[in-house]
Amino acid sequence: QSALTQPASVSGSPGQSIAISCTGTSSDVGGYNFVSWYQQHPGKAPKVMIYDVSNRPSGVSNRFSGSKSGNTASLTISGLQAEDEADYYCNSYTSSSTWVFGGGTKLTVL
Amino acid sequence: QLQLQESGPGLVKPSETLSLTCTVSGGSISSSSYYWGWIRQPPGKGLEYIGLIYYTGSTYYNPSLKSRVTISLDTSKNQFSLKLYSVTAADTATHYCARKKSGSGWFDYWGQGTLVTVSS
Repeated sequence: QSALTQPASVSGSPGQSIAISCTGTSSDVGGYNFVSWYQQHPGKAPKVMIYDVSNRPSGVSNRFSGSKSGNTASLTISGLQAEDEADYYCNSYTSSSTWVFGGGTKLTVL
Repeated sequence: QLQLQESGPGLVKPSETLSLTCTVSGGSISSSSYYWGWIRQPPGKGLEYIGLIYYTGSTYYNPSLKSRVTISLDTSKNQFSLKLYSVTAADTATHYCARKKSGSGWFDYWGQGTLVTVSS
C-alpha cells in the first residue's frame, strides 16, 4: 500500500493558522471516515490530535481541527504556538482492512 | 491508566528474526473493545503501519510486510508480540506498540518505542 501524501513541511508565525493536507484515494481517505492525525515531538511517541476526521480527544486543544473533502483530509491549527512545532502524520483505514500513514509534515513555528 | 511497554533485543543480525513483546498494564488484551498493534519508524523517517491483532486472534498486516510478519497474543501474560523474519538493514527502526479502539479509527495509547538495529 502507498503512503498517503502530505507536504514535507509547513511553517507559520505565532498566532497564525496553518493547514496540513493528506491526500489518498477512494480506497482509503475518500472511502472511510477513519482519518486520524498524530503529533510527534522529537524522541517521543506520537500523540493523537484528531480522530475519525474531525473529532478531538479529551485534553487536546480546540485550536486543532480536522476536515475531509473527497480523497483529501486536512488538519488545521489555529493560533499557532511555539509548542505546536513538531512532525504531524495522518492515518487512514483502507479497503484492505489495514491502516496507512502519511509521509509526515514538519511544522515550523517561525 | 493504561500503559504499554515494548521489550526485546536492540540488535539483530541480517537474515535473522526480530522479536518484540508489548506488555500491557491497566487493561486487558482480551477485551473485545480493542485491537493491539505495531507501528515502526526508521531513523529520521515517517511512521509505517505493521499490523494489528484482535482478541480473537484475527490479524491485519501491512501487505508490504505480510509475508515476513507474525503478530500473536499471550493472554496469560497480557502481552502481544511481533516477529519479523529475514530482516535487513532496511528494517532498522523504532518500533511502537499501540492500542486501537474497535469501531474507531485511532491509536489512542502508545508505548514509548524501542529501537531495533539490524547489523552484523
